[in-house]
Amino acid sequence: DAKTTQPTSMDCAEGRAANLPCNHSTISGNEYVYWYRQIHSQGPQYIIHGLKNNETNEMASLIITEDRKSSTLILPHATLRDTAVYYCIVPNSFGNEKLTFGTGTRLTIIP
Amino acid sequence: DSGVTQTPKHLITATGQRVTLRCSPRSGDLSVYWYQQSLDQGLQFLIQYYNGEERAKGNILERFSAQQFPDLHSELNLSSLELGDSALYFCASSVGSGGEQFFGPGTRLTVL
Repeated sequence: DAKTTQPTSMDCAEGRAANLPCNHSTISGNEYVYWYRQIHSQGPQYIIHGLKNNETNEMASLIITEDRKSSTLILPHATLRDTAVYYCIVPNSFGNEKLTFGTGTRLTIIP
Repeated sequence: DSGVTQTPKHLITATGQRVTLRCSPRSGDLSVYWYQQSLDQGLQFLIQYYNGEERAKGNILERFSAQQFPDLHSELNLSSLELGDSALYFCASSVGSGGEQFFGPGTRLTVL
């Protein structure tokens, strides 16, 4: 898996947009960027993924830079339930059988 | 609710014993993945099965084994348990081999 770098922790005020950055400078042309989150010892939850275009779903938006070396996950209106560890993962080109979870970003939503 | 079920939720056992963890994937998913999460190691991939066949292997110990049955449910067998095997064990499933994975609630194993 391509190595990813994320800040260790972030805070965000409730109701504001939470912007979580991820660097993946060694990403290959056909590798996707995936985001998952884990809320306190629950099973990790898939959020979104993308290749080169920006993506949006009911949970979040994913902005990938043109050179694909970094991306930002955006939670548009953060709630207390969004407090979790967020993982940015770039699986290998041959399928993401081996999801490699790093340390992620611990996001705390402040009331 | 991801649609992936795992049993049991909690398991307490003694060193040297053997346990079996069970996972039922989402309806229609052919791949099952097993992960271990301990306090000092984080989330680690153990093994993947796709439609009954082993597809990928991570740092799974020789004392651990898994299989996927014709109905696509999977079991993870842990034997000769040690204190360090205490962890959360998660199962995930996906439609094919690759793509987004959907995780179950986990089994918390405590080895005393």
